[in-house]
Amino acid sequence: DGGITQSPKYLFRKEGQNVTLSCEQNLNHDAMYWYRQDPGQGLRLIYYSQIVNDFQKGDIAEGYSVSREKKESFPLTVTSAQKNPTAFYLCASTDQGGGTEAFFGQGTRLTVV
Amino acid sequence: GQNIDQPTEMTATEGAIVQINCTYQTSGFNGLFWYQQHAGEAPTFLSYNVLDGLEEKGRFSSFLSRSKGYSYLLLKELQMKDSASYLCAGAVTGGGNKLTFGTGTQLKVEL
Repeated sequence: DGGITQSPKYLFRKEGQNVTLSCEQNLNHDAMYWYRQDPGQGLRLIYYSQIVNDFQKGDIAEGYSVSREKKESFPLTVTSAQKNPTAFYLCASTDQGGGTEAFFGQGTRLTVV
Repeated sequence: GQNIDQPTEMTATEGAIVQINCTYQTSGFNGLFWYQQHAGEAPTFLSYNVLDGLEEKGRFSSFLSRSKGYSYLLLKELQMKDSASYLCAGAVTGGGNKLTFGTGTQLKVEL
């Protein structure tokens, strides 16, 4: 079955450590996105990529980094520069062309301990 | 980007009808989406509107007025499982499918 997979579902990180969240899709979608969700807030865009080997900053990119070496994969690294990393992270993908729905992964809940 | 505004919380009774409103900035508008999200889960697609009017899909309908920068999601014959957060999201011209989300409306369905 086609879909988008995030791993792990729960992740704990010590302060000062970098951590990488995985996102893989087998939908053959060109575009992929990373969102952050905090309690009482909507989804905020961290980074997005519309094509392999290219990506752009979203609204809250500081403290995060991404890569897009393969069409299927768009990993997100939460660096030690991110001051408040505890949140629910969602990866999504869409086909190209306007008006196409986004397919979301199940999310990764990151907690800094 | 867009500024998306929607109510934070709503409560309705099982079997009733509820309307969740959403307003957005009209500059560069290129379509409006509604998603449903249960706590701790991924959002799931409900509807997409880019032209004025009502789109009906079973118990759920979505309406758009481009001139007013206004949309609503209408849920009929409410069921307990409809208790969830409903996210309004706007797309802008030239932004591909990059979306700006509202804070979500937490709907509680009661007996």
